[in-house]
Amino acid sequence: NAGVTQTPKFQVLKTGQSMTLQCAQDMNHNSMYWYRQDPGMGLRLIYYSASEGTTDKGEVPNGYNVSRLNKREFSLRLESAAPSQTSVYFCASRGTEGNTQYFGPGTRLTVL
Amino acid sequence: GDSVTQMEGPVTLSEEAFLTINCTYTATGYPSLFWYVQYPGEGLQLLLKATKADDKGSNKGFEATYRKETTSFHLEKGSVQVSDSAVYFCALSPLYNFNKFYFGSGTKLNVKP
Repeated sequence: NAGVTQTPKFQVLKTGQSMTLQCAQDMNHNSMYWYRQDPGMGLRLIYYSASEGTTDKGEVPNGYNVSRLNKREFSLRLESAAPSQTSVYFCASRGTEGNTQYFGPGTRLTVL
Repeated sequence: GDSVTQMEGPVTLSEEAFLTINCTYTATGYPSLFWYVQYPGEGLQLLLKATKADDKGSNKGFEATYRKETTSFHLEKGSVQVSDSAVYFCALSPLYNFNKFYFGSGTKLNVKP
Protein backbone atom coordinates (compact mmCIF):
# COMPACT_ATOMS: atom_id res chain seq x y z
CA ASN A 1 0.00 0.00 0.00
CA ALA A 2 2.01 2.98 -1.30
CA GLY A 3 -0.55 5.68 -0.49
CA VAL A 4 -0.10 8.72 -2.73
CA THR A 5 2.79 8.67 -5.20
CA GLN A 6 4.09 11.49 -7.39
CA THR A 7 6.49 11.64 -10.33
CA PRO A 8 8.92 13.13 -10.98
CA LYS A 9 10.53 14.09 -7.68
CA PHE A 10 12.55 16.94 -9.20
CA GLN A 11 12.28 18.81 -12.49
CA VAL A 12 13.99 21.79 -14.09
CA LEU A 13 12.28 23.53 -17.00
CA LYS A 14 13.06 26.49 -19.19
CA THR A 15 10.50 29.26 -19.55
CA GLY A 16 7.89 28.27 -22.11
CA GLN A 17 8.40 24.51 -21.86
CA SER A 18 5.54 22.23 -20.93
CA MET A 19 5.34 19.29 -18.62
CA THR A 20 2.91 17.04 -16.76
CA LEU A 21 3.16 16.08 -13.11
CA GLN A 22 1.73 12.68 -12.33
CA CYS A 23 -0.10 11.59 -9.20
CA ALA A 24 -1.62 8.24 -8.27
CA GLN A 25 -3.27 6.85 -5.14
CA ASP A 26 -4.06 3.28 -4.19
CA MET A 27 -6.47 3.98 -1.32
CA ASN A 28 -9.61 3.95 -3.48
CA HIS A 29 -10.24 7.60 -2.64
CA ASN A 30 -12.81 9.58 -4.59
CA SER A 31 -11.29 13.05 -4.21
CA MET A 32 -7.87 14.24 -5.31
CA TYR A 33 -6.10 17.60 -5.05
CA TRP A 34 -3.12 19.56 -6.36
CA TYR A 35 -1.41 22.14 -4.16
CA ARG A 36 1.61 24.33 -4.49
CA GLN A 37 3.81 25.24 -1.56
CA ASP A 38 5.75 28.48 -1.54
CA PRO A 39 7.95 29.81 1.26
CA GLY A 40 5.96 31.49 4.03
CA MET A 41 2.62 30.85 2.33
CA GLY A 42 1.57 27.40 3.41
CA LEU A 43 -0.17 25.33 0.77
CA ARG A 44 -2.53 26.77 -1.81
CA LEU A 45 -5.04 24.71 -3.75
CA ILE A 46 -4.59 24.74 -7.53
CA TYR A 47 -7.29 22.30 -8.70
CA TYR A 48 -9.24 19.45 -7.26
CA SER A 49 -11.34 16.55 -8.43
CA ALA A 50 -14.20 15.63 -6.14
CA SER A 51 -14.87 12.43 -8.04
CA GLU A 52 -13.85 10.65 -11.22
CA GLY A 53 -14.88 12.73 -14.21
CA THR A 54 -15.07 16.08 -12.42
CA THR A 55 -12.51 18.82 -11.83
CA ASP A 56 -12.79 22.26 -10.23
CA LYS A 57 -10.59 25.29 -9.79
CA GLY A 58 -9.01 26.07 -6.48
CA GLU A 59 -7.39 29.25 -5.23
CA VAL A 60 -4.57 29.58 -7.82
CA PRO A 61 -5.56 27.78 -11.09
CA ASN A 62 -4.09 30.18 -13.65
CA GLY A 63 -1.40 28.60 -15.84
CA TYR A 64 -2.40 25.01 -15.00
CA ASN A 65 -4.67 22.31 -16.36
CA VAL A 66 -5.63 18.99 -14.82
CA SER A 67 -6.92 15.63 -15.93
CA ARG A 68 -8.61 13.00 -13.78
CA LEU A 69 -7.56 10.05 -15.86
CA ASN A 70 -9.37 7.46 -13.73
CA LYS A 71 -10.13 7.00 -10.06
CA ARG A 72 -6.47 6.42 -9.22
CA GLU A 73 -4.71 9.10 -11.27
CA PHE A 74 -4.84 12.89 -11.33
CA SER A 75 -2.31 14.81 -13.44
CA LEU A 76 -1.31 18.47 -13.45
CA ARG A 77 -0.10 20.09 -16.66
CA LEU A 78 1.87 23.26 -17.18
CA GLU A 79 1.40 24.26 -20.84
CA SER A 80 3.95 27.10 -20.90
CA ALA A 81 6.01 27.23 -17.75
CA ALA A 82 6.90 30.55 -16.14
CA PRO A 83 9.43 31.35 -13.39
CA SER A 84 6.49 32.21 -11.09
CA GLN A 85 5.55 28.52 -11.20
CA THR A 86 8.78 27.54 -9.44
CA SER A 87 7.44 25.77 -6.38
CA VAL A 88 6.95 22.46 -4.65
CA TYR A 89 3.83 20.68 -5.85
CA PHE A 90 1.88 18.27 -3.68
CA CYS A 91 -0.87 15.89 -4.63
CA ALA A 92 -3.35 14.71 -2.01
CA SER A 93 -6.37 12.44 -1.82
CA ARG A 94 -9.37 12.05 0.46
CA GLY A 95 -11.77 9.20 1.04
CA THR A 96 -15.49 9.37 1.75
CA GLU A 97 -15.21 8.37 5.38
CA GLY A 98 -13.99 11.74 6.56
CA ASN A 99 -12.26 14.93 5.59
CA THR A 100 -8.62 14.00 6.19
CA GLN A 101 -6.36 14.56 3.20
CA TYR A 102 -3.34 12.31 2.57
CA PHE A 103 -0.35 13.79 0.81
CA GLY A 104 2.26 12.57 -1.63
CA PRO A 105 5.99 13.30 -1.25
CA GLY A 106 5.97 16.29 -3.59
CA THR A 107 7.60 17.42 -6.84
CA ARG A 108 10.16 20.21 -6.66
CA LEU A 109 9.89 22.24 -9.88
CA THR A 110 12.28 24.97 -10.95
CA VAL A 111 11.53 27.13 -13.98
CA LEU A 112 14.50 29.08 -15.32
CA GLY B 1 -13.66 33.96 4.58
CA ASP B 2 -12.17 30.96 6.32
CA SER B 3 -8.54 31.22 7.34
CA VAL B 4 -5.86 29.95 9.71
CA THR B 5 -3.21 31.97 11.49
CA GLN B 6 -0.28 30.32 13.21
CA MET B 7 2.73 31.68 14.99
CA GLU B 8 5.72 32.52 12.89
CA GLY B 9 8.92 30.63 13.34
CA PRO B 10 11.41 29.42 13.55
CA VAL B 11 11.01 28.10 17.06
CA THR B 12 14.24 26.82 18.58
CA LEU B 13 14.12 24.65 21.69
CA SER B 14 16.46 22.42 23.62
CA GLU B 15 15.69 18.74 23.86
CA GLU B 16 13.10 17.91 26.57
CA ALA B 17 11.69 21.46 26.55
CA PHE B 18 7.94 22.13 26.44
CA LEU B 19 6.50 23.06 23.06
CA THR B 20 3.54 25.27 22.20
CA ILE B 21 2.73 26.35 18.66
CA ASN B 22 -0.24 28.70 18.52
CA CYS B 23 -2.97 28.37 15.93
CA THR B 24 -6.17 30.41 15.63
CA TYR B 25 -8.81 30.20 12.98
CA THR B 26 -11.67 32.07 11.38
CA ALA B 27 -14.50 29.96 10.05
CA THR B 28 -18.25 29.65 9.70
CA GLY B 29 -19.77 27.07 11.98
CA TYR B 30 -17.72 24.16 13.27
CA PRO B 31 -14.87 23.24 10.94
CA SER B 32 -12.58 20.25 11.39
CA LEU B 33 -9.10 21.19 12.57
CA PHE B 34 -5.81 19.51 11.78
CA TRP B 35 -2.11 19.57 12.49
CA TYR B 36 0.18 18.26 9.78
CA VAL B 37 3.94 17.77 10.06
CA GLN B 38 6.46 18.04 7.25
CA TYR B 39 9.92 16.55 7.76
CA PRO B 40 12.74 17.84 5.55
CA GLY B 41 12.34 16.78 1.93
CA GLU B 42 9.06 14.97 2.56
CA GLY B 43 5.34 15.52 2.09
CA LEU B 44 2.85 16.45 4.78
CA GLN B 45 1.79 13.81 7.27
CA LEU B 46 -1.32 14.03 9.40
CA LEU B 47 -0.25 14.47 13.02
CA LEU B 48 -3.64 14.84 14.73
CA LYS B 49 -7.11 16.20 14.20
CA ALA B 50 -10.30 17.24 15.99
CA THR B 51 -13.75 17.47 14.49
CA LYS B 52 -15.84 19.19 17.17
CA ALA B 53 -15.56 21.65 19.99
CA ASP B 54 -13.67 20.45 23.10
CA ASP B 55 -12.27 17.45 21.24
CA LYS B 56 -8.63 16.72 21.96
CA GLY B 57 -6.49 15.24 19.21
CA SER B 58 -3.32 13.43 20.22
CA ASN B 59 -0.53 11.46 18.60
CA LYS B 60 3.15 10.74 19.32
CA GLY B 61 3.04 12.84 22.50
CA PHE B 62 1.54 15.86 20.72
CA GLU B 63 -1.84 17.22 21.76
CA ALA B 64 -4.23 19.95 20.63
CA THR B 65 -7.66 20.89 21.95
CA TYR B 66 -10.41 22.39 19.79
CA ARG B 67 -11.45 25.58 21.61
CA LYS B 68 -14.52 27.15 20.06
CA GLU B 69 -14.67 30.05 22.53
CA THR B 70 -11.17 31.23 21.61
CA THR B 71 -11.19 29.81 18.04
CA SER B 72 -7.88 28.12 18.74
CA PHE B 73 -6.17 24.77 18.22
CA HIS B 74 -2.75 25.15 19.82
CA LEU B 75 -0.24 22.31 19.44
CA GLU B 76 1.61 21.17 22.58
CA LYS B 77 4.18 18.58 23.54
CA GLY B 78 5.60 18.10 27.00
CA SER B 79 9.12 17.07 26.04
CA VAL B 80 10.44 17.56 22.52
CA GLN B 81 13.12 15.45 20.88
CA VAL B 82 15.61 16.25 18.15
CA SER B 83 13.56 14.02 15.86
CA ASP B 84 10.61 16.43 16.22
CA SER B 85 12.46 19.04 14.17
CA ALA B 86 10.13 19.75 11.25
CA VAL B 87 7.63 22.26 9.90
CA TYR B 88 4.19 22.12 11.49
CA PHE B 89 1.05 23.26 9.66
CA CYS B 90 -2.31 24.03 11.20
CA ALA B 91 -5.26 23.57 8.83
CA LEU B 92 -9.03 23.66 8.76
CA SER B 93 -11.66 22.02 6.61
CA PRO B 94 -15.04 23.77 6.61
CA LEU B 95 -18.15 21.85 7.47
CA TYR B 96 -19.85 23.13 4.31
CA ASN B 97 -17.21 21.86 1.88
CA PHE B 98 -14.81 19.00 2.60
CA ASN B 99 -12.91 19.83 -0.59
CA LYS B 100 -11.65 23.09 0.87
CA PHE B 101 -8.60 22.98 3.07
CA TYR B 102 -7.08 26.15 4.50
CA PHE B 103 -3.51 25.96 5.74
CA GLY B 104 -1.52 28.23 7.98
CA SER B 105 1.87 29.39 6.77
CA GLY B 106 3.74 26.78 8.80
CA THR B 107 6.01 26.96 11.85
CA LYS B 108 9.49 25.57 11.67
CA LEU B 109 10.67 23.83 14.83
CA ASN B 110 14.35 23.27 15.51
CA VAL B 111 15.25 21.10 18.50
CA LYS B 112 18.85 21.21 19.70
CA PRO B 113 20.48 18.30 21.52
